[in-house]
Amino acid sequence: EVQLVESGGDLVEPGGSLRLSCAASGFTFTNAWMSWVRQAPGKGLEWVGRIESKADGGTVDYAAPVKGRFTISRDDSKTTVYLQMNSLKTEDTAVYHCTTGIRSGYYTAWGQGTLVTVSS
Amino acid sequence: DIQMTQSPSSLSASVGDRVTITCRASQGIANYLAWYQQKPGKVPNLLIYAASTLRSGVPSRFSGSGSGTDFTLTISSLQPEDVATYYCQKYDSAPTFGPGTKVDLK
Repeated sequence: EVQLVESGGDLVEPGGSLRLSCAASGFTFTNAWMSWVRQAPGKGLEWVGRIESKADGGTVDYAAPVKGRFTISRDDSKTTVYLQMNSLKTEDTAVYHCTTGIRSGYYTAWGQGTLVTVSS
Repeated sequence: DIQMTQSPSSLSASVGDRVTITCRASQGIANYLAWYQQKPGKVPNLLIYAASTLRSGVPSRFSGSGSGTDFTLTISSLQPEDVATYYCQKYDSAPTFGPGTKVDLK
């Protein structure tokens, strides 16, 4: 069974930093492209970014609102993907979901998410 | 950047009704289009990918069609458990979600 478990969400002040983790199991992590999708309270889904598998080049792409502030990385030995968030803004407040479609662009598995609140 | 729109933003329908949701891309995306269902308090669930391929285990009352810029999700006979928000997503390059369509019962 595919499992994605996020952690690291917290209350942080504007301008602060936070690192989210997503522990994956139940599939061949090294082959998987991993993504982060966020959902602000009461709002829709917003793609944050994606990291390819190393075998496919390991390219990382980001949505425009987070480019230059957020960094996605992966540790295949720990089957974990990370989201480093810097220079946080109030509009980054959301539940952050880890998700994957293995090597497809659509998402077949989602974590329950971790809440990030950016507020003074 | 390619933008995704959905219509309507919300709808109310009766059990047994045929429900149609439209998704439009600002540029052609071939058939790189997925549909998700998100029930209140739950994570999204993939229903359809490649515009019209039903994911295994998804009830056959759900169907998708379209290619290029215009796509449709149809629920042939609405059931109470279909109350949810439905999102389209393009995945030809940078993934982008539509704003969602909220479906509830009349």
